[in-house]
Amino acid sequence: QVQLVQSGAEVRKPGTSVKVSCKASGYTFTAHYIHWVRQAPGQGLEWMGWMNPDTGGTTYAQNFQGRVIMTRDTTINTAFMEFTSLRSDDTAVYYCARTDSPEGDWFDPWGQGTLVTVSS
Amino acid sequence: DIQMTQSPSSLSASVGDTVTITCRASQRIDFYLNWYQQRPGKAPSLLIYAASSLQSGVPSRFSGSGSGTDFTLTISSLHPEDFATYFCQQTYSTPPTFGHGTKLEI
Repeated sequence: QVQLVQSGAEVRKPGTSVKVSCKASGYTFTAHYIHWVRQAPGQGLEWMGWMNPDTGGTTYAQNFQGRVIMTRDTTINTAFMEFTSLRSDDTAVYYCARTDSPEGDWFDPWGQGTLVTVSS
Repeated sequence: DIQMTQSPSSLSASVGDTVTITCRASQRIDFYLNWYQQRPGKAPSLLIYAASSLQSGVPSRFSGSGSGTDFTLTISSLHPEDFATYFCQQTYSTPPTFGHGTKLEI
């Protein structure tokens, strides 16, 4: 079945970086977009950006421009989201999700989420 | 950015009840509106896409309606597993934005 499996929880100090992976299975990895969404504790959902695994093209949310880098490795069907200059308010669960196109679509499925804790 | 206003923010109901959650967009989004369910400690999962299309595997007691700016999610005959948080999302334009969620409690 179509599945996205993310890497495990991470703890980082402020000012450092984290790289979260999202491994796809059950479909052609390069035929669908991967989006990243985060959810701070007890809060709502915030979209971070998308990547086209076929071309490597990306679009990032304005709030994260300059701090987020989305990449992929097509040989292992895996997308990556690197987040730099971490702050304590970046503590959140980070999700990847799949769509057929960058707009006008729906997010399905979602990865199980990766908790990133930023603390000194 | 398009703002999505969901109401109510929380809702108390009983097993067997029918409930309705509404979502209003700050501008017209045609039918580019999706609904997700999120259980505690889990990822969101797709319930309804394109305003009214039921995702495969989702029980028929879930239904969606609306177009333009006003949308509703209706859950008929609540089951115990339906007590969760529900989010609407617009994908009419980038960035896709979510409502703040409705927590459905027993």
